Amino acid sequence: DVKVTQSSRYLVKRTGEKVFLECVQDMDHENMFWYRQDPGLGLRLIYFSYDVKMKEKGDIPEGYSVSREKKERFSLILESASTNQTSMYLCASTADSYYGYTFGSGTRLTVV
Amino acid sequence: RKEVEQDPGPFNVPEGATVAFNCTYSNSASQSFFWYRQDCRKEPKLLMSVYSSGNEDGRFTAQLNRASQYISLLIRDSKLSDSATYLCVPLGGGATNKLIFGTGTLLAVQP
Repeated sequence: DVKVTQSSRYLVKRTGEKVFLECVQDMDHENMFWYRQDPGLGLRLIYFSYDVKMKEKGDIPEGYSVSREKKERFSLILESASTNQTSMYLCASTADSYYGYTFGSGTRLTVV
Repeated sequence: RKEVEQDPGPFNVPEGATVAFNCTYSNSASQSFFWYRQDCRKEPKLLMSVYSSGNEDGRFTAQLNRASQYISLLIRDSKLSDSATYLCVPLGGGATNKLIFGTGTLLAVQP
């Protein structure tokens, strides 16, 4: 089974801090995605990547950046955390979207 | 029109009941479809894939109507453990080669 690992289940950060969320997958997937999920809004795509060093903006990229230096690792960066970035962050990967995605267990980030 | 529309529920049903969820999607070019299950405060997990007119897996049956751009999920003999949010997820067609997530339908199975 594909394993997608997110480094932290829970994080508490202060406003203005730079925050790194890490995601690692073990199945050599080309495609990786970062979502946030908020009550009533569902999953919203922040950024995605189809290959190493490649990144594309999703629907809500403002306030975020990403890094994909190695195929297995896709990092989400909050340049200056704000309280409205308090959310559940979910990473996903796939070899081919036709077959669906596998998600990591999520990181619940609270910005105070 | 939203890309994916689902009744948010909640659907409150007794154990043993049959329950059906409906979903409509706007992109007629979508070629594959998924139902994901999400437990409270957990990640979505793939429940079922639908590539043709439908799929069946034990107590779960998904049906696809491409002409009406409509997908359904039927759960028979509901168990307490089926309580979760069910996400309808078409694969965006054409240049949009990404999954499009609905906001989900909440199911609560009562003892």
